[in-house]
Amino acid sequence: GDSVTQTEGPVTVSESESLIINCTYSATSIAYPNLFWYVRYPGEGLQLLLKVITAGQKGSSRGFEATYNKETTSFHLQKASVQESDSAVYYCALGQSSGSWQLIFGSGTQLTVMP
Amino acid sequence: EAAVTQSPRSKVAVTGGKVTLSCHQTNNHDYMYWYRQDTGHGLRLIHYSYVADSTEKGDIPDGYKASRPSQENFSLILELASLSQTAVYFCASSDGTGDYAEQFFGPGTRLTVL
Repeated sequence: GDSVTQTEGPVTVSESESLIINCTYSATSIAYPNLFWYVRYPGEGLQLLLKVITAGQKGSSRGFEATYNKETTSFHLQKASVQESDSAVYYCALGQSSGSWQLIFGSGTQLTVMP
Repeated sequence: EAAVTQSPRSKVAVTGGKVTLSCHQTNNHDYMYWYRQDTGHGLRLIHYSYVADSTEKGDIPDGYKASRPSQENFSLILELASLSQTAVYFCASSDGTGDYAEQFFGPGTRLTVL
């Protein structure tokens, strides 16, 4: 079936360090999967961080980047230098632009950035 | 102003009682969704709707009903709440058109069943 697996948390890094959160997916029933990273800050709902709908392309937002790699079925989230304000839960998600437009989520990765 | 709101934000319910969670969106979206999240798991789809007065089952519908009386409102109903339904519930809306399936989420409702 369709599924998403991401780095299990919690992850703790120091401010200005680099970050990578791994995400791999299986899209057996989705012909052209869309890939997303959502972020949830404390007390808030999930909000879209970045998206890529075409294999081989890279999405970026707020210093975060992720490349849609169809060969390795991966969509890892990276940032060169994290800030304390990046502390949040990050979710990788898989979706399709048809049918129910449902999203399939990974389990989330709790990130804490130490000052 | 928040485009997807949920009420209540938290609730404690007794086993066997009835619980109704409400969601309201001002995005003018056709699609609305209810997800639950348990510790260590991703969000899982319970029910969704793509038009008023119609709902569809998601991946884990057992023990839940949904109601979509208008485009803006979508409720999740637990007729007989059980301990296993303790979780955080998220509502979301989506346009259902365009090139990608972005969803917009509410802040979540933390439900504790005792």
